[in-house]
Amino acid sequence: KAGVTQTPRYLIKTRGQQVTLSCSPISGHRSVSWYQQTPGQGLQFLFEYFSETQRNKGNFPGRFSGRQFSNSRSEMNVSTLELGDSALYLCASSSGQGVGELFFGEGSRLTVL
Amino acid sequence: SQQGEEDPQALSIQEGENATMNCSYKTSINNLQWYRQNSGRGLVHLILIRSNEREKHSGRLRVTLDTSKKSSSLLITASRAADTASYFCATVNSGGSNYKLTFGKGTLLTVNP
Repeated sequence: KAGVTQTPRYLIKTRGQQVTLSCSPISGHRSVSWYQQTPGQGLQFLFEYFSETQRNKGNFPGRFSGRQFSNSRSEMNVSTLELGDSALYLCASSSGQGVGELFFGEGSRLTVL
Repeated sequence: SQQGEEDPQALSIQEGENATMNCSYKTSINNLQWYRQNSGRGLVHLILIRSNEREKHSGRLRVTLDTSKKSSSLLITASRAADTASYFCATVNSGGSNYKLTFGKGTLLTVNP
């Protein structure tokens, strides 16, 4: 069974630009979560989607948004990038029944210049 | 915001020795999970312990949970160089929406050959 796939793995943007990251969950998983990892703040929860509905959202500004498609694939978007948005963005999938084990992708490393 | 706080922040041991990492958290939990992350990679789930469990084993891993002290420990026995990684505890809070993990800042374990 294929794991969680995130694209792109690395990207460089400049301040003010916007970025879209993609996540394909494990086949059959209906829940996709997004986390931001930085050296200073550690792992921070962004949002979680289940069957195309956002069930929970972390404490991030409105510049961070996401969506989930009918095939459970998910995208997250960050608009008007700031230097502080440089981070490893991790996507995780699960069956969606409560929060048990999460299966993480390798992440998308975003650098904002 | 961080729920779990790992201790120590860094740990360096020799191959064959045991490694113990501790995690403290602040609120009531549904379950507590431990994850491993190799440098710059995605997280890998190690073990989940529910709030009504006190101890759990998986191979060379032993996890304990003390809900009265709001703390957990992860013991890795007979460590190997391949165990070198960051280890994170993550909690699922009880009550409310429970579709997210709240991570600690992690313990960096170095196992020297």
